[in-house]
Amino acid sequence: GIQVEQSPPDLILQEGANSTLRCNFSDSVNNLQWFHQNPWGQLINLFYIPSGTKQNGRLSATTVATERYSLLYISSSQTTDSGVYFCAGAQTGANNLFFGTGTRLTVIP
Amino acid sequence: NAGVTQTPKFQVLKTGQSMTLQCAQDMNHNSMYWYRQDPGMGLRLIYYSASEGTTDKGEVPNGYNVSRLNKREFSLRLESAAPSQTSVYFCASRTGLLNTEAFFGQGTRLTVV
Repeated sequence: GIQVEQSPPDLILQEGANSTLRCNFSDSVNNLQWFHQNPWGQLINLFYIPSGTKQNGRLSATTVATERYSLLYISSSQTTDSGVYFCAGAQTGANNLFFGTGTRLTVIP
Repeated sequence: NAGVTQTPKFQVLKTGQSMTLQCAQDMNHNSMYWYRQDPGMGLRLIYYSASEGTTDKGEVPNGYNVSRLNKREFSLRLESAAPSQTSVYFCASRTGLLNTEAFFGQGTRLTVV
């Protein structure tokens, strides 16, 4: 299967700061998603982004498929952004989404 | 707009007991999945059903069985629970077309003692 490496594993931010989370894949993926797992354990879909750039409010994501990585940008972080951020990817037509081990973000007031 | 619904949310089992985790989706999706999440790890695929009437093994199928009851429902059964199956279980679905977004249920936290 695909190996998914996320960095950094842990991140502590002051409220209002910006951050960049990275996801590297061992092989080409054509199905890439970013999720936020909140402190209650729910997995929230952030972006479906096999390539290109998308923005949703303070969050944006960029995937460079040819170089097998994706970035998630969080601007003006808030305490509600705390939790674990996962990226996951699958090869074309494959059913299995392979997950990274996540980046644990803590935003302090 | 329920999306993917899992029951129960929490369960404690004794070693050797059996149970079935239920999952239903109302998005008319063809494909459904069961994942498990262990502490400090991402999700790993147990079983999936690419379409109604089919099921296939994922990365970690040992100790589990599944049933695709109809297009909406996909259940996961533990025949003889073991402490190693203590985990959080997530069900997911997607349309089944190539390269589409997956949506997850709220999870079932299972403890086997």
